[in-house]
Amino acid sequence: ETGVTQSPTHLIKTRGQQVTLRCSSQSGHNTVSWYQQALGQGPQFIFQYYREEENGRGNFPPRFSGLQFPNYSSELNVNALELDDSALYLCASSPRWGSGANVLTFGAGSRLTVL
Amino acid sequence: QKEVEQDPGPLSVPEGAIVSLNCTYSNSAFQYFMWYRQYSRKGPELLMYTYSSGNKEDGRFTAQVDKSSKYISLFIRDSQPSDSATYLCAMSALDNNNDMRFGAGTRLTVKP
Repeated sequence: ETGVTQSPTHLIKTRGQQVTLRCSSQSGHNTVSWYQQALGQGPQFIFQYYREEENGRGNFPPRFSGLQFPNYSSELNVNALELDDSALYLCASSPRWGSGANVLTFGAGSRLTVL
Repeated sequence: QKEVEQDPGPLSVPEGAIVSLNCTYSNSAFQYFMWYRQYSRKGPELLMYTYSSGNKEDGRFTAQVDKSSKYISLFIRDSQPSDSATYLCAMSALDNNNDMRFGAGTRLTVKP
């Protein structure tokens, strides 16, 4: 059974650019969530995808968007990057929509630096 | 005031010590309480998951929840160098994983 895999591991962008981060969910999981973890802070919920639709969103502006594909993998897109977007972006998957936190599996994250 | 407060440390203890990690919160609707461990360059992994008030034990780890005081704790007995990591508390009002609120994390170092 494979876990949650994310790519790229690290990337550097400049302010105003756009970035796409990718996530493959754990085998058997159909729901994907994205979190932003700024340095020295806990993860903050961005949004969740189930059945290829956004299903729940945290306090993030529309320039944060996502996709989920039929194979349950997912992308996080951030437009018009700002310096404060520098963070570790975590993807997490769960077996089904509405699952509790006890079955949420996190990936190792993508470290984004915005200069 | 943040919804979940957690002392960021860092906390350094000798091997074999009992470690106490704590979080306070302000939202009385929280009913599900979690502790995650995050090693450097890794994602968080769930350690303990509890519902409402009370204690839960799993090996060397004990989680306590006091809803009347809005205070949760994680105790680590016989701490090991491999326990060195950042510990994050998290909580939610519903038993789903898209509404969790995390603390900032406490960095723990266990010295041999």
